Amino acid sequence: GQNIDQPTEMTATEGAIVQINCTYQTSGFNGLFWYQQHAGEAPTFLSYNVLDGLEEKGRFSSFLSRSKGYSYLLLKELQMKDSASYLCAALDSNYQLIWGAGTKLIIKP
Amino acid sequence: DTAVSQTPKYLVTQMGNDKSIKCEQNLGHDTMYWYKQDSKKFLKIMFSYNNKELIINETVPNRFSPKSPDKAHLNLHINSLELGDSAVYFCASSPPSDRGPGELFFGEGSRLTVL
Repeated sequence: GQNIDQPTEMTATEGAIVQINCTYQTSGFNGLFWYQQHAGEAPTFLSYNVLDGLEEKGRFSSFLSRSKGYSYLLLKELQMKDSASYLCAALDSNYQLIWGAGTKLIIKP
Repeated sequence: DTAVSQTPKYLVTQMGNDKSIKCEQNLGHDTMYWYKQDSKKFLKIMFSYNNKELIINETVPNRFSPKSPDKAHLNLHINSLELGDSAVYFCASSPPSDRGPGELFFGEGSRLTVL
């Protein structure tokens, strides 16, 4: 079957760096997405990776290893507003998005 | 100036009732979706419409039916509501892209509570 695994919850300190991991098993692969979802709000797009390597976008970076079925989202210089759930989603061979349950990130002062 | 808007944002109703949630996007996107997010926070796709044509229909009960009067609107009708239908329903749209669904633009969500 198709599956996305990511930690349920993580805690980090304001100003620090945190890495949220995601492993995926899909029927074919056409890319991996990261979304941010604040409590009670809609998910918003953060990043898309389809080739191996690191994509940097400001304080957020996303990494992909296709051979390992692995991705991570790296958040630097954490701010309190980064407290949210981070959803990993993989695009399978039929171009359907397979979603993880999300990682709830708690930022402490 | 909301890109994807859905109404109502909150809906509380009794089991057995019929209800609708409306969705409109002003982004000019060709594809719209309905997702269900349950208490465990999994996002599950329910329907996808591309130029008024259903292109994905996941194994949802036929009590749920999407209706698209035009490519800017995708409404969700639910008949004979059950307790398990309680969830947040998100409408979304996406532009044409070689990424498939590409970047999804979500509405604010409609929280349905069935009593």
